[in-house]
Amino acid sequence: AQKVTQAQTEISVVEKEDVTLDCVYETRDTTYYLFWYKQPPSGELVFLIRRNSFDEQNEISGRYSWNFQKSTSSFNFTITASQVVDSAVYFCALSRIQGAQKLVFGQGTRLTINP
Amino acid sequence: DAGVIQSPRHEVTEMGQEVTLRCKPISGHDYLFWYRQTMMRGLELLIYFNNNVPIDDSGMPEDRFSAKMPNASFSTLKIQPSEPRDSAVYFCASSPGTDTGELFFGEGSRLTVL
Repeated sequence: AQKVTQAQTEISVVEKEDVTLDCVYETRDTTYYLFWYKQPPSGELVFLIRRNSFDEQNEISGRYSWNFQKSTSSFNFTITASQVVDSAVYFCALSRIQGAQKLVFGQGTRLTINP
Repeated sequence: DAGVIQSPRHEVTEMGQEVTLRCKPISGHDYLFWYRQTMMRGLELLIYFNNNVPIDDSGMPEDRFSAKMPNASFSTLKIQPSEPRDSAVYFCASSPGTDTGELFFGEGSRLTVL
């Protein structure tokens, strides 16, 4: 069975601080995809990133970066110099490579950035 | 470009009533998904369609729930009869034909069953 755990239910930081959201996953598959989605106050989930289990290179996109470590089954997400607009619920998710449409989501981390 | 459109955005009904939620996916997307979000259970996949055909409905909680996709631009999720434990936000999402896992979500329909 596949499972995603986001142990941090809520995080609150002051603007401009760096913040890391943790994600730990379980799967028996040798190949899989990992995802992060953002759910802003408007409600819809927005895709942020997909990583293939073959590729353990860290990825950076502007203020966002992702650290994938297969040895610890973790896929953590860091926001550098956080901004109020980053306030949202963030979900980590996992899927098989074939059948990637069927995502298993973590419980989400509510991030609040205070001015 | 229009995103995934869901209606109604909010629905309040009484136990026992029939509820129909509607979804218009992004044009050209081959996959359509229905998810349910609650505080207790998080985001759960209820059912998904490929080219209007239901592929996996293992997440549909019970026979009171049914989903249809009569054409590529419209889907419904029906609950009959509704119960208070069905109260949740129901999301529709669509995805292009490639097996990428990148889903485009609507803003959700918040259902409250009294």
